[in-house]
Amino acid sequence: EDKVVQSPLSLVVHEGDTVTLNCSYEVTNFRSLLWYKQEKKAPTFLFMLTSSGIEKKSGRLSSILDKKELFSILNITATQTGDSAVYLCAVRTGNTGKLIFGQGTTLQVKP
Amino acid sequence: DAGVIQSPRHEVTEMGQEVTLRCKPISGHDYLFWYRQTMMRGLELLIYFNNNVPIDDSGMPEDRFSAKMPNASFSTLKIQPSEPRDSAVYFCASSPQTGEAFFGQGTRLTVV
Repeated sequence: EDKVVQSPLSLVVHEGDTVTLNCSYEVTNFRSLLWYKQEKKAPTFLFMLTSSGIEKKSGRLSSILDKKELFSILNITATQTGDSAVYLCAVRTGNTGKLIFGQGTTLQVKP
Repeated sequence: DAGVIQSPRHEVTEMGQEVTLRCKPISGHDYLFWYRQTMMRGLELLIYFNNNVPIDDSGMPEDRFSAKMPNASFSTLKIQPSEPRDSAVYFCASSPQTGEAFFGQGTRLTVV
């Protein structure tokens, strides 16, 4: 059965801290891994990763994929209160296009 | 494009009633996904379509749930009869063959 597991499930940090969120997966015929941020409404897209070792970066957020060890990390540097959200990892399979999500990591950034 | 459009945004219904949720995907997208989100279970994939054809409905919890996609611009998720445990936020998302999925704003369903 395809599955995506995120850790930790929740995290509390202070502004300025750096955080690392983890996502491991076990799927048949991997196509891509995606990260989303969810505040109070719908998930919004952050990154899509398809190749190992190539870092994707957007401002203070960055992500990298390891296809050999079947995991990805999402880093957030110099966290701000506006980073407080649920971060979701999802994996797309190549043969059927299925998109399945992990449980999410709830990040709270305190002032 | 206005993005993925879901309706209604909120639905409150009594147990036993039929509920129909609607979704208009982004034009040109080949895939449409229906998800259910709760605190306990997170974001669960219920069913998804490719070019209007259902590919995998193994996530549909029971026969009370059904989904259709009669054309490329419209899909419905129906629950009949509804039960209190169906209360959740239901998301529709669409995507091209490759690339990210875009989500609608969701329908918050409350069954009392």
